[in-house]
Amino acid sequence: GAGVSQSPRYKVTKRGQDVALRCDPISGHVSLYWYRQALGQGPEFLTYFNYEAQQDKSGLPNDRFSAERPEGSISTLTIQRTEQRDSAMYRCASSPQGARPSWEQYFGPGTRLTVT
Amino acid sequence: SQQGEEDPQALSIQEGENATMNCSYKTSINNLQWYRQNSGRGLVHLILIRSNEREKHSGRLRVTLDTSKKSSSLLITASRAADTASYFCATDAKTSYDKVIFGPGTSLSVIP
Repeated sequence: GAGVSQSPRYKVTKRGQDVALRCDPISGHVSLYWYRQALGQGPEFLTYFNYEAQQDKSGLPNDRFSAERPEGSISTLTIQRTEQRDSAMYRCASSPQGARPSWEQYFGPGTRLTVT
Repeated sequence: SQQGEEDPQALSIQEGENATMNCSYKTSINNLQWYRQNSGRGLVHLILIRSNEREKHSGRLRVTLDTSKKSSSLLITASRAADTASYFCATDAKTSYDKVIFGPGTSLSVIP
């Protein structure tokens, strides 16, 4: 079946603009995670959802970052007033079960964000 | 601070040899997972081991977990060039609402 998809795959934006990154999880998956990954590093946790409820957003760097999953399926990560330090690969993952305890995650291809 | 850290950071072996990577973590966990990432692509789940398990096998992969030492190891036997990738351990800390935290990874190169 279809895996996790993310769009756009590449996004170049100017400093100060807002961007919205979309994640379409595997159908029926309960949990959805957002990560940010720098080159040569492991994924850095940002936030996660069980169904439509945002369970933990402690990894969001500051209040310019927000995420939603209003119908418990597709999720959007929004970065307002982008800065160059926001440039990174943003990855989404979904998991078939709720996240207590954790289960295997299925990752999307990521969105490469470049802020100029 | 990171929950899990892999060791070594980089490993280079000849095809056919075994590769062992280690992961240490700091707090009590429910589960520990290993993932593989090929050259900047998406991460692929390899194996999950629960805190009440000590060893688990999947094909050429063997994972051990020592909760008393807060460490895990991933053994890849009879390595192949296609095993060249970065390997990450991921843990869910019981005290952090079970969010999953990844370590910095071990970069494995298997030389044909």
